[in-house]
Amino acid sequence: DVKVTQSSRYLVKRTGEKVFLECVQDMDHENMFWYRQDPGLGLRLIYFSYDVKMKEKGDIPEGYSVSREKKERFSLILESASTNQTSMYLCASRGDGDTIYFGEGSWLTVV
Amino acid sequence: AQSVTQPDIHITVSEGASLELRCNYSYGATPYLFWYVQSPGQGLQLLLKYFSGDTLVQGIKGFEAEFKRSQSSFNLRKPSVHWSDAAEYFCAVAPTGGFKTIFGAGTRLFVKA
Repeated sequence: DVKVTQSSRYLVKRTGEKVFLECVQDMDHENMFWYRQDPGLGLRLIYFSYDVKMKEKGDIPEGYSVSREKKERFSLILESASTNQTSMYLCASRGDGDTIYFGEGSWLTVV
Repeated sequence: AQSVTQPDIHITVSEGASLELRCNYSYGATPYLFWYVQSPGQGLQLLLKYFSGDTLVQGIKGFEAEFKRSQSSFNLRKPSVHWSDAAEYFCAVAPTGGFKTIFGAGTRLFVKA
């Protein structure tokens, strides 16, 4: 079975903290994605990576950065967390035929 | 610009009744088309997908969807809804060979006894 694992399901961080969200996939997929999901706004693409060390901005990259040092791991970084970054973050990887597989999500609350 | 529209923010159906969730897309060519389901607090799970061929596709959990090119639609159907189908459903399109899958805003399904 396809597996995308987000190591942290629930996090509470303080404003200004640096936050790391980790994601690992076991399918040897080249493409990985970070989305943000907010009520009424659906899924919005933050960043994606099409290969190791390669990354591209999505629709809402401001305030975020990413790291892809190994094929299976794609990390989302909030350099200085703010309250408007309170959200659910979804990691995904893409396999054959453009099917996207999602992790279970990370709920981040910034106080 | 490419877009996906799910006109219904939420739908309520009775258990055992039939269901149809609407999805319209705007895209130059025929993209890959998907339906995903999200249970509360969980990630998205693929229900079914259309790449080419037969325009009626079968998915998991008894769902099916029909691609209608003339209407740019990809509606999701189920003949008899179960209480466990209550969730949020997302339609998505992906350009063939591209990177950006575009998701609709979602339709939340409520099932009443």
